[in-house]
Amino acid sequence: NAGVMQNPRHLVRRRGQEARLRCSPMKGHSHVYWYRQLPEEGLKFMVYLQKENIIDESGMPKERFSAEFPKEGPSILRIQQVVRGDSAAYFCASSPLSTGGNSPLHFGNGTRLTVT
Amino acid sequence: TQLLEQSPQFLSIQEGENLTVYCNSSSVFSSLQWYRQEPGEGPVLLVTVVTGGEVKKLKRLTFQFGDARKDSSLHITAAQPGDTGLYLCAGVESGNTPLVFGKGTRLSVIA
Repeated sequence: NAGVMQNPRHLVRRRGQEARLRCSPMKGHSHVYWYRQLPEEGLKFMVYLQKENIIDESGMPKERFSAEFPKEGPSILRIQQVVRGDSAAYFCASSPLSTGGNSPLHFGNGTRLTVT
Repeated sequence: TQLLEQSPQFLSIQEGENLTVYCNSSSVFSSLQWYRQEPGEGPVLLVTVVTGGEVKKLKRLTFQFGDARKDSSLHITAAQPGDTGLYLCAGVESGNTPLVFGKGTRLSVIA
């Protein structure tokens, strides 16, 4: 009974490099959400995707950040030209329905990105 | 501005004590959820409340949704060291708006 799988668990990148974070949702879940968490902060919504579609990207910076959820394969959060301020824990969550239907989120254990 | 305000931010108590943590907002939510997060892991859902005035119990944890659906509380009876963690409330305002989180209450229960 695999839950939400995120990899890598830890990622170190130098300033200017690209970071790719992967998320495989729970089986049967077609809704994927990405959140960012800084120390002593709650989770900040970034983007909501359904298969092949971005539904809501209101929380994602307009530049350098992109997300996709292809028909086959995991969801990818991509950060280009990383800066120190991108260092954070990035969590992916999935659900069988949208959260507007009161469907709870199932979270992965996150990818901790450190930019040096 | 933070849509959901949680208090207290930190709480350290002795084993066996009771405690209440709060989640407040000026907005109305169609539902509120409580999650618990441990270091190095993702949040895990504890409960979802959807009806104003609703009370749900989960063993020693009691969750309440305010009548106006703007606030919620979590009460823990006879806290144990295993209750230690970050407690997050999260709410959906309406429709397909995303689930937004408070900053959490970090609870430490000392044996």
